[in-house]
Amino acid sequence: DAGVIQSPRHEVTEMGQEVTLRCKPISGHDYLFWYRQTMMRGLELLIYFNNNVPIDDSGMPEDRFSAKMPNASFSTLKIQPSEPRDSAVYFCASRRTGVNTGELFFGEGSRLTVL
Amino acid sequence: AQSVAQPEDQVNVAEGNPLTVKCTYSVSGNPYLFWYVQYPNRGLQFLLKYITGDNLVKGSYGFEAEFNKSQTSFHLKKPSALVSDSALYFCAVREEAGSYQLTFGKGTKLSVIP
Repeated sequence: DAGVIQSPRHEVTEMGQEVTLRCKPISGHDYLFWYRQTMMRGLELLIYFNNNVPIDDSGMPEDRFSAKMPNASFSTLKIQPSEPRDSAVYFCASRRTGVNTGELFFGEGSRLTVL
Repeated sequence: AQSVAQPEDQVNVAEGNPLTVKCTYSVSGNPYLFWYVQYPNRGLQFLLKYITGDNLVKGSYGFEAEFNKSQTSFHLKKPSALVSDSALYFCAVREEAGSYQLTFGKGTKLSVIP
């Protein structure tokens, strides 16, 4: 089976531009998580969904960040406008309810550089 | 609230020697504990977990971890390190009765020296 698929793998953009990161979770998984990884702050949970519904978005840094999950097989994380401090690796992860209590499957990440 | 501490930013060990990567946690109730590994430019990969039962948990690639409730620790161990074990290791916790979100430690960089 395919794992969690993220795109793009690398994105370089200029400050002020809109950035959209995409994620396709593993089929049958009903939880989807967005994480951000930086050297300074480590791995931070931004938001997570259950059955396409946002459950906890308290980790979203500010209103410039938004996330959607229009269906069970697709999610986006959007930053508008982007700023240099948003430069990080963004990971998507998914899991399935009722299966062994919590193992997350991560995508390969999207490395964002905002100039 | 739940939290994880990995007290060492970096651990260096010679190839063939035993390795330990430390982790302590804090949760209100019973913990579910996990170790993940991240190789350069890759996502996190699951190594092992403790849910209940035997305090010594065995996982992938010869790794094991020991749950110690009194010390609230879950240290990762391997009897004989390989150069290919060099990577970033993350400990994570969630509470048994809590939400499904994992809290991760900041990670420990393991370098195995040939």
